[in-house]
Amino acid sequence: SQKIEQNSEALNIQEGKTATLTCNYTNYSPAYLQWYRQDPGRGPVFLLLIRENEKEKRKERLKVTFDTTLKQSLFHITASQPADSATYLCALEGKGGNNRLAFGKGNQVVVIP
Amino acid sequence: ETGVTQSPTHLIKTRGQQVTLRCSSQSGHNTVSWYQQALGQGPQFIFQYYREEENGRGNFPPRFSGLQFPNYSSELNVNALELDDSALYLCASSFWQGSYNEQFFGPGTRLTVL
Repeated sequence: SQKIEQNSEALNIQEGKTATLTCNYTNYSPAYLQWYRQDPGRGPVFLLLIRENEKEKRKERLKVTFDTTLKQSLFHITASQPADSATYLCALEGKGGNNRLAFGKGNQVVVIP
Repeated sequence: ETGVTQSPTHLIKTRGQQVTLRCSSQSGHNTVSWYQQALGQGPQFIFQYYREEENGRGNFPPRFSGLQFPNYSSELNVNALELDDSALYLCASSFWQGSYNEQFFGPGTRLTVL
């Protein structure tokens, strides 16, 4: 069966350090992999998208890598700030660009001042 | 904040009742997708509407149904509510033209079934 796995344990990290989150998937061949941020009681907010033929994407303090052989994406927040505290969701979109997303459970990040 | 709005914000129903949730998509968007997010879980795809037609459905029973209107706003209807339907219901709008386009999520409707 298809699975998207993110670490269920919250990541507690000191302000200024780099937070790294992992997304592993099985039985998927995604065209795109996306990362979203979700704050409590709010809808997800799009952060970054990486295509299957891309290895790395950066946006400001965020970096995403994508290894289709390992079926894994890493999401990095550099120079983390308390305002980065949230749940981060990994989402896959299948080939065909149908905009239907399959999400992982999310990984909570807590940045300690 | 995105331009996607949802109503109501919160709703409490009892088992067996029916509920209608509403979504107003962002201006210029032609596609609305609905997701169910149970506590501690990621959003699960329910279905998608493109230009008023259902354009794909996830693993949800027929008692979950929807509509998209000419102005591209949308409704999600759930009949015969069950306790497990308690969740945050999210809609996401996008302008789909055959390849990836960013989806914009609304704030969600929190449904509690007692």
